[in-house]
Amino acid sequence: EPEVTQTPSHQVTQMGQEVILRCVPISNHLYFYWYRQILGQKVEFLVSFYNNEISEKSEIFDDQFSVERPDGSNFTLKIRSTKLEDSAMYFCASSGQGYSYEQYFGPGTRLTVT
Amino acid sequence: AQTVTQSQPEMSVQEAETVTLSCTYDTSESDYYLFWYKQPPSRQMILVIRQEAYKQQNATENRFSVNFQKAAKSFSLKISDSQLGDAAMYFCAYRRLESGGSNYKLTFGKGTLLTVNP
Repeated sequence: EPEVTQTPSHQVTQMGQEVILRCVPISNHLYFYWYRQILGQKVEFLVSFYNNEISEKSEIFDDQFSVERPDGSNFTLKIRSTKLEDSAMYFCASSGQGYSYEQYFGPGTRLTVT
Repeated sequence: AQTVTQSQPEMSVQEAETVTLSCTYDTSESDYYLFWYKQPPSRQMILVIRQEAYKQQNATENRFSVNFQKAAKSFSLKISDSQLGDAAMYFCAYRRLESGGSNYKLTFGKGTLLTVNP
């Protein structure tokens, strides 16, 4: 069964450093998402991406964040200058064409900012 | 804005028994989807069941079923014959229907941690 993959599974970085989290969505999916889950809290929407552009972003997704689909298979989330409060689990999700399609989640990347 | 509320931070059930997890939501939309996701200790988010708001019949997936009360904006998950592998955090989630749109983001509740006792 096709699945969403994410790398790395765990990333440790120092405050102020740039990080790139990578995702490979399911191959025929068209809608892509990033969510964040701070430890012990609920999963929060960050950004959605369709047709090579951001379709919606939350208030969390400020100028430090960016997304890209550089080569038609990868979907990346970049944090330019990490802060301690960026420490969280980051989930990538993708869904097929149409409003009736479920989102499939990747296993997540645990980001630790020290 | 849509909100999802899960009022039970933790629940426990004996193996083979039945447990019901509660979820309420607030929306002004008439058509939408509701989901239950399971998050085991591995942190992977796994879709358990979904319900379309325009369907009156409650969704069922094997031992998992929902009680969808649209007027009350309630969407509870019933797990029958609970198994040790059901132990996980369960998240209720809402999504607009918005046909022809470009964003189908999920809005999650805070989750209910389910413990299954042998």
